[in-house]
Amino acid sequence: AIRMTQSPSFLSASVGDRVTITCRASQGVGSDLGWYQQKPGKAPKLLVYPAFVLQSGVPSRFSGSASGTDFTLTIASLQPEDFATYYCLQDYTYPLTFGGGTKVENK
Amino acid sequence: QVQLQESGPGLVKPSQTLSLTCTVSGASVSSGRYYWSWIRQPAGKGLEWIGRIYTSGSTEYNPSLKGRVTISMESSQNQLSLKLTSVTAADTAVYYCARGWDDNRGSSGSAPLYWGQGTLVTVSS
Repeated sequence: AIRMTQSPSFLSASVGDRVTITCRASQGVGSDLGWYQQKPGKAPKLLVYPAFVLQSGVPSRFSGSASGTDFTLTIASLQPEDFATYYCLQDYTYPLTFGGGTKVENK
Repeated sequence: QVQLQESGPGLVKPSQTLSLTCTVSGASVSSGRYYWSWIRQPAGKGLEWIGRIYTSGSTEYNPSLKGRVTISMESSQNQLSLKLTSVTAADTAVYYCARGWDDNRGSSGSAPLYWGQGTLVTVSS
């Protein structure tokens, strides 16, 4: 199975900060990479898929990028509603695999 | 608007079979070009993909579950089902059903876009 190594696991930031979260795939996944946001007690929400495409209704402060097997989710200016846990997911091959998650906390 | 709702027993005894149903509205489980997945999340931990069924009925499962999983669809009820046999405490989790991504232009994929609210299943005697 493809291993998705996500970093950091925890991130402390303030409103207005630029936040970057990274996922590294253990092998190539093309652009078959998505980013999810999950708030406590809620199902994950798809933000970006494939690697660069913002899903409908997602604020433009979110963006996805890639360089080889390294993928990045950037929040340009963190808003209060962005404090959450973020996961990457590769669906290039089965089994689908998630990164371990990044919890973005209020500094 | 695609909506999914998981249902089933909240408590299952060790060694027994976990059985969940996902009722879908706003889309047909057996038509179109969609991937329907089950995903789980133990309390305070990350997400694990369990498996998926395509609208044709073909399935893929996570090998980590060692052949204990069966995903099927009941077209007449517009439902999906998940069966996980020989459960242990390690199978205690919130279980989600989800429908894969599509771009409204004919392309689709497994990455879940629409999710149910999830249902907690506890394995305990």
